[in-house]
Amino acid sequence: SQQGEEDPQALSIQEGENATMNCSYKTSINNLQWYRQNSGRGLVHLILIRSNEREKHSGRLRVTLDTSKKSSSLLITASRAADTASYFCATALNTGGFKTIFGAGTRLFVKA
Amino acid sequence: SQTIHQWPATLVQPVGSPLSLECTVEGTSNPNLYWYRQAAGRGLQLLFYSVGIGQISSEVPQNLSASRPQDRQFILSSKKLLLSDSGFYLCAWSVHGTGEYFGPGTRLTVT
Repeated sequence: SQQGEEDPQALSIQEGENATMNCSYKTSINNLQWYRQNSGRGLVHLILIRSNEREKHSGRLRVTLDTSKKSSSLLITASRAADTASYFCATALNTGGFKTIFGAGTRLFVKA
Repeated sequence: SQTIHQWPATLVQPVGSPLSLECTVEGTSNPNLYWYRQAAGRGLQLLFYSVGIGQISSEVPQNLSASRPQDRQFILSSKKLLLSDSGFYLCAWSVHGTGEYFGPGTRLTVT
């Protein structure tokens, strides 16, 4: 079964609004990562949050991690049309960190 | 700075033909290397990962194999492609558990 699962599966918002995507996982993790993928392209690493961290910021991105609930959220503030992409969470398992398990992703569409 | 190359970008192959996809990394030493497959509109499925030359771990039983003949070279192969092998193949590298860095991907269509 999948380790990371994002919700919603798809999200459509207006430019300027905030977008929140959630991720849940099942087992203990070393860290959790968020990636972005534009259609037909490779994934781009956005942010990594370690299991002992609760919140991390990078520009307009804010990631939270709640290990007690085994969940994370990615907030994109003041969204832009260029933020339209699929966003994936991925968990590095607490088994040496070689393997990263990806969720199915959230497709975000930002309307100009 | 580190870069990752993956080729070809697109590939159309008939059923039963062989496959060889290559991935090379520059600017880093002894990276962990990964091959993923992504079905349309879906997440990534880890196929193989390697922590060193000649060391390959397979995640799912399948029609594919991987090899790492050099530190920064990772090859995905098949002797006979199946229709179900169609998909978007992504190579990635990582060091020190800081996250994975992906190549541009190869879109494979088996006809």
